[in-house]
Amino acid sequence: QQQVKQSPQSLIVQKGGIPIINCAYENTAFDYFPWYQQFPGKGPALLIAIRPDVSEKKEGRFTISFNKSAKQFSLHIMDSQPGDSATYFCAASIGGSNYQLIWGAGTKLIIKP
Amino acid sequence: GAGVSQSPSNKVTEKGKDVELRCDPISGHTALYWYRQSLGQGLEFLIYFQGNSAPDKSGLPSDRFSAERTGGSVSTLTIQRTQQEDSAVYLCASSLAEGAGPQHFGDGTRLSIL
Repeated sequence: QQQVKQSPQSLIVQKGGIPIINCAYENTAFDYFPWYQQFPGKGPALLIAIRPDVSEKKEGRFTISFNKSAKQFSLHIMDSQPGDSATYFCAASIGGSNYQLIWGAGTKLIIKP
Repeated sequence: GAGVSQSPSNKVTEKGKDVELRCDPISGHTALYWYRQSLGQGLEFLIYFQGNSAPDKSGLPSDRFSAERTGGSVSTLTIQRTQQEDSAVYLCASSLAEGAGPQHFGDGTRLSIL
């Protein structure tokens, strides 16, 4: 019940396309859902985060969609660029906190020029 | 420094040796986290510090693993009698306080056990 299931494991999209990465959870106590971006040889960096009181949040070309009833949330990248190629992790936690984030397994995204 | 600093960036050692991994958090950050990331996997929580105290050590995989933090700043993760399954990237993160703001990650220490 503490798991966050992320899919797909890998994704290849042409430049300008809209990659979509999905995450699902079981624990309804989760109330904070961040997405992190990780480039090779670097640590993850917070990209965007959402709380369950909203269904969508946009920051630049990145959008989180949240479906509370389905216990799913997804990341969309608009007008994707080769520089977006990275591994993306979803996560979840309880208490609106970053403490002890439960992480998805990651999606390796490649944007082809 | 401006970000979380980890050293060494790479460490290769023989099975059975002890290793120490160091983390310098962002100045003023009271919360510090250690994670382990195996190749192609997500992050596995190891331990969390608030100040010099570790309220949650539940993620440490065995008694060969220990961590300390001194002066509310630098932290050291020690792995004794290393095993091949300890090979991974060990990541450190810090935040202003537990639950206050995002975790900022260092670039990790890539540990290889021969």
